[in-house]
Amino acid sequence: SQQGEEDPQALSIQEGENATMNCSYKTSINNLQWYRQNSGRGLVHLILIRSNEREKHSGRLRVTLDTSKKSSSLLITASRAADTASYFCATSQIDFGNEKLTFGTGTRLTIIP
Amino acid sequence: EPEVTQTPSHQVTQMGQEVILRCVPISNHLYFYWYRQILGQKVEFLVSFYNNEISEKSEIFDDQFSVERPDGSNFTLKIRSTKLEDSAMYFCASSPGQGLVYNQPQHFGDGTRLSIL
Repeated sequence: SQQGEEDPQALSIQEGENATMNCSYKTSINNLQWYRQNSGRGLVHLILIRSNEREKHSGRLRVTLDTSKKSSSLLITASRAADTASYFCATSQIDFGNEKLTFGTGTRLTIIP
Repeated sequence: EPEVTQTPSHQVTQMGQEVILRCVPISNHLYFYWYRQILGQKVEFLVSFYNNEISEKSEIFDDQFSVERPDGSNFTLKIRSTKLEDSAMYFCASSPGQGLVYNQPQHFGDGTRLSIL
């Protein structure tokens, strides 16, 4: 698999349910970040988890990171119609210089009212 | 909340023409980036820029591409002779850079949709 692959590719759930998206990567990382992209819009940063962290929360978002499995998950609890968007994980590789993000293929989340 | 702004939102250009995409990063940020997203594909890194020079560039960023920070606020991406395959959404991003550059989120603009005819 390529660096930063999310699954599922698409997910439809009822409003109020929880949504879980997964991301796998191949190389060692500094951190892993999750972004949201509404159709035709830019990328909105959601949460950053460092390689030495295992879990992080921000509001209704919960991110886990398992560096031994090279995987991460994003959980959105109590979903709302406004959460409908594409969600991308992006990894920052261990390197000198600036942080280059490598994005995954994304999960298209649809919340059904 | 401070934002990264990009202009224009949509640019239509004839193949072979030069195009300049403009970005105003967040004012106290020190690291600047360009990414692109071809329709239906992943977001791809193009180039990073710090202290008025390129710090890293991808294979995509060939001699047709250049970046510049002409003044204290703008950050531009120039494509000298556009090709059909340059059609994509181009995103500018910036990050603070104080202290360790790692582990800081990058803030993205809304993008410029570039259409090459």
